[in-house]
Amino acid sequence: NAGVTQTPKFQVLKTGQSMTLQCAQDMNHNSMYWYRQDPGMGLRLIYYSASEGTTDKGEVPNGYNVSRLNKREFSLRLESAAPSQTSVYFCASSEALSGRGTEAFFGQGTRLTVV
Amino acid sequence: TQLLEQSPQFLSIQEGENLTVYCNSSSVFSSLQWYRQEPGEGPVLLVTVVTGGEVKKLKRLTFQFGDARKDSSLHITAAQPGDTGLYLCGPRLRGAQKLVFGQGTRLTINP
Repeated sequence: NAGVTQTPKFQVLKTGQSMTLQCAQDMNHNSMYWYRQDPGMGLRLIYYSASEGTTDKGEVPNGYNVSRLNKREFSLRLESAAPSQTSVYFCASSEALSGRGTEAFFGQGTRLTVV
Repeated sequence: TQLLEQSPQFLSIQEGENLTVYCNSSSVFSSLQWYRQEPGEGPVLLVTVVTGGEVKKLKRLTFQFGDARKDSSLHITAAQPGDTGLYLCGPRLRGAQKLVFGQGTRLTINP
């Protein structure tokens, strides 16, 4: 059972380049999330998709776009990468949050360096 | 606006010692989750607390949800090097679809 799969695992970009981070889950979850984690820090929510067909901004959306391609896949795009976007990016999924708390499952992360 | 705060941010202790870390907010939560993240991995759920005053135990880890459902604590007894990691609390607001976390407590247990 793969869970949440992120690709690529590592990426180096030059300033101004664009790229898309891919995320897929095989647990039939409704909700998916993208986070960034800077060195020594916690997780900050970039964008989320509560259900297929919807996306919403999180805490730090500037410089990013997302696409919920279908129920399984949620991609994160950097249109013009900046050094400030150097970080580890995590994708997660969960059942729709009912307020009572269902478990979120995380991918292994994508380590992105922008030079 | 900071939804919640975790303290301490960093903690380094010797194997065998006890410790408590905290997750505090001015908001009332319908539930709260604790996750642990080991180096190079994504976070993994440890526990969900739902009822005010609730206490849950997971081996040497004891989780408590405050009576007013605004805060939570994690107590570790006889810490071991395998407890090393980043501990994140994640609150749930009724009806909210977002999943956000505190900044975490980075715990290091030295042999």
